[in-house]
Amino acid sequence: NAGVTQTPKFRVLKTGQSMTLLCAQDMNHEYMYWYRQDPGMGLRLIHYSVGEGTTAKGEVPDGYNVSRLKKQNFLLGLESAAPSQTSVYFCASSSWTSNGNEQFFGPGTRLTVL
Amino acid sequence: TQLLEQSPQFLSIQEGENLTVYCNSSSVFSSLQWYRQEPGEGPVLLVTVVTGGEVKKLKRLTFQFGDARKDSSLHITAAQPGDTGLYLCAGARGDYKLSFGAGTTVTVRA
Repeated sequence: NAGVTQTPKFRVLKTGQSMTLLCAQDMNHEYMYWYRQDPGMGLRLIHYSVGEGTTAKGEVPDGYNVSRLKKQNFLLGLESAAPSQTSVYFCASSSWTSNGNEQFFGPGTRLTVL
Repeated sequence: TQLLEQSPQFLSIQEGENLTVYCNSSSVFSSLQWYRQEPGEGPVLLVTVVTGGEVKKLKRLTFQFGDARKDSSLHITAAQPGDTGLYLCAGARGDYKLSFGAGTTVTVRA
């Protein structure tokens, strides 16, 4: 049981390049999320999904796109990377329980855009 | 602006001392969670509090949810170097999303 996995772990891009971050979970969770973490700003929600085939915008969606074609996978795309997108990206998944929405996080992807 | 304000931002203490981290908001939450994050890793859930006034204990960690469900605190008794990390609070308002505080970096010196 691997939980939530993310690939790649590190990536360096040049401005204008594109890339896709992959998140996979093996806990059969309905909900999946992409966050970015910047110093002093906590975790900010980029996009999320409440089920296969559905996605929604979070707090900071501009410059990112997502897809959830399979329940276990959630992809985050950057079409034209900008230096402002240099950050650590975390994927999380969850199911609704009696305690509400308890999220499980992946190990993160550290992205640098030059 | 953060929906949840955490204080202090940084905390450095000696092993064996006690510490308290605060998480405050003007909004009401249906539940509040605390996560701990170590360098190079993702956050890991410590506890969820759901009832106003609720107190939960996890070994040397005590979590409290305010009566009005707008604030929470994390108290660590006799801190150890293994308690070092970034502590994040996150509030839920009944939908699928969590709002995170900016975090408190705790360093426990041996």
